[in-house]
Amino acid sequence: AQKVTQAQTEISVVEKEDVTLDCVYETRDTTYYLFWYKQPPSGELVFLIRRNSFDEQNEISGRYSWNFQKSTSSFNFTITASQVVDSAVYFCALRGPGGSTLGRLYFGRGTQLTVWP
Amino acid sequence: KAGVTQTPRYLIKTRGQQVTLSCSPISGHRSVSWYQQTPGQGLQFLFEYFSETQRNKGNFPGRFSGRQFSNSRSEMNVSTLELGDSALYLCASSLGRGGNSPLHFGNGTRLTVT
Repeated sequence: AQKVTQAQTEISVVEKEDVTLDCVYETRDTTYYLFWYKQPPSGELVFLIRRNSFDEQNEISGRYSWNFQKSTSSFNFTITASQVVDSAVYFCALRGPGGSTLGRLYFGRGTQLTVWP
Repeated sequence: KAGVTQTPRYLIKTRGQQVTLSCSPISGHRSVSWYQQTPGQGLQFLFEYFSETQRNKGNFPGRFSGRQFSNSRSEMNVSTLELGDSALYLCASSLGRGGNSPLHFGNGTRLTVT
């Protein structure tokens, strides 16, 4: 079965601090895809980053970076130099290999990030 | 490019009534998925349509149904509404091919059942 766990329910930081959001996943698929989404108070889920299971190279995109480790089934997301506008709920999500699974994401329960000025 | 558009943004219905929600995907996207978000259960998958065919379905009762039209627009219907159906309903679209293609979500329809 597919499962995503975000152990951190809430995180508070002060502006300009770095913050890492944790995500642990479970799947029996050998091919799968991982995503991070952000949900501001307006309600829309905003796509941030993605990673597929056969590419463990970690990357940096602007203030965002991610650390994907298959050995520990983790896909952690870091925001560098946080800003007040980063305050939102962040969701980690898992998707299966393809075909009929493409439209189905398994979401974690989310982490509420609050960045104080 | 316009994003995913959901209408209406807010709905208030009474128990026992039915409701229809609408979703217009990003131009060129052929897959539309629906999700229910509640504080208790989080984000749960309802169903996905691709080229007018339901390709996957979550674990929801038959009162929840959907369809997709030839222009990829989709509607979701909930019949015999219950109080527990109060939720934010999110629609997402994607190209529908290739696992790297992310889902792009709309602003959602917030349904309140009284």
